[in-house]
Parts: sequence; structure tokens; C-alpha cells
Amino acid sequence: DQQVKQNSPSLSVQEGRISILNCDYTNSMFDYFLWYKKYPAEGPTFLISISSIKDKNEDGRFTVFLNKSAKHLSLHIVPSQPGDSAVYFCAAPANNAGNMLTFGGGTRLMVKP
Amino acid sequence: DAGVIQSPRHEVTEMGQEVTLRCKPISGHNSLFWYRQTMMRGLELLIYFNNNVPIDDSGMPEDRFSAKMPNASFSTLKIQPSEPRDSAVYFCACRLAQETQYFGPGTRLLVL
Repeated sequence: DQQVKQNSPSLSVQEGRISILNCDYTNSMFDYFLWYKKYPAEGPTFLISISSIKDKNEDGRFTVFLNKSAKHLSLHIVPSQPGDSAVYFCAAPANNAGNMLTFGGGTRLMVKP
Repeated sequence: DAGVIQSPRHEVTEMGQEVTLRCKPISGHNSLFWYRQTMMRGLELLIYFNNNVPIDDSGMPEDRFSAKMPNASFSTLKIQPSEPRDSAVYFCACRLAQETQYFGPGTRLLVL
């Protein structure tokens, strides 16, 4: 049973526009959420996180929004750049101690020049 | 720091052969994780070590899979015997206390 789901396997966006990547979860007890970015032939790298007590966290061009009532979070990239083309995974703690993560299936973002 | 080091980066083997994947975590990171990525199942956690001790291996698919961490700087994931359905990218990741996980570049395994 997947606790974190990314329903869009891919997304294509024009350079300079906004990219919105979505993630849904089932466990209302998650304390925090993370987004990872993965380039081909590399491991995932941490991008941004958000605590469950917040509804927004911003870091440069990247902003994550959390809607607890809808059990939904989204990653906004503005403006999108070709170098942002990658697979993006959302993740949440898989156990109470928070030392294991469960990942969504990923969304492949393609930013066209 | 060189980050998480995994070897080999690519492995092609025949069904029935033993496969050993290796990982050297970042020095001082006391938690180590093995993940498998496939198209069908995405990124799934196989096993988690803390201070070299296996804490949760509920994600290990079956008895053909085993993992060890003999010391803080080395871990192995072994598949014996390997099967075509084991073909995937295997990632090792590590973590220091409550910080985020740092992933290695992965080993791409193809079992023919």
C-alpha cells in the first residue's frame, strides 16, 4: 500500500514558465515531507522539505506547499530552467522514528528551451 | 568528501549467478539504507542499518537477498542466486542523525 503517490509520471513545461509537481499522501500523521531530484545515472539528491506545521516553504525558485486537509503537497519551480529537467520524488517518513523514508513513484519533468 | 561510493556502477550477469553490490557511506554517517528502483515499483527501501546493526529488513524481497555492514565504512548487498526480475538500479544512502539522506550514484544491475 503506497502511502505517498505521485499520479503524474511526466510533465513538460516551457522554459521560464512555472512547473507544478504534485504529491498525495494517505497518512495524516506524517511530520514532514521532502522532495528529491534525480538526474539520469545519478542518485537522488535532497531538494527541499516542509514540516507538517507549515503550509509553505520557499528556497529560491523552489516552493513547496502543503495542504493537510487534502493530504496533498506540491512543488512549484518558478521560473523553470532546462537544467531542472529531472525526475522528482516526494517522500515522507516511513516509521514513527522518522529514520526511514517512503517515496512516491516520481514525476519526470522536462523543461523545453 | 567524495560522498557515497557504490561499486560496481554497472553489472551484467547471468541468471543464477551471485551478485555483490558494495557501498561506502559518508564518514561519520551512522545510518545506511539500501534501495531498489524499478519502473514498476519506483524507489523502494530494502534494508536499513543504524550503527552497523540491521534495524529493518522488511523490504528485502526474499531470502535470495542479504545485506551486511561489517563496519561503519562498508556495506554489501548480495543476491544469490540472481534472477532476471532482480534487474534494477540499486542505491545506497546514508544519513547523519536527523539530517536528510544522501544517495550514492547507484549500481545498474542487469540479470540475463
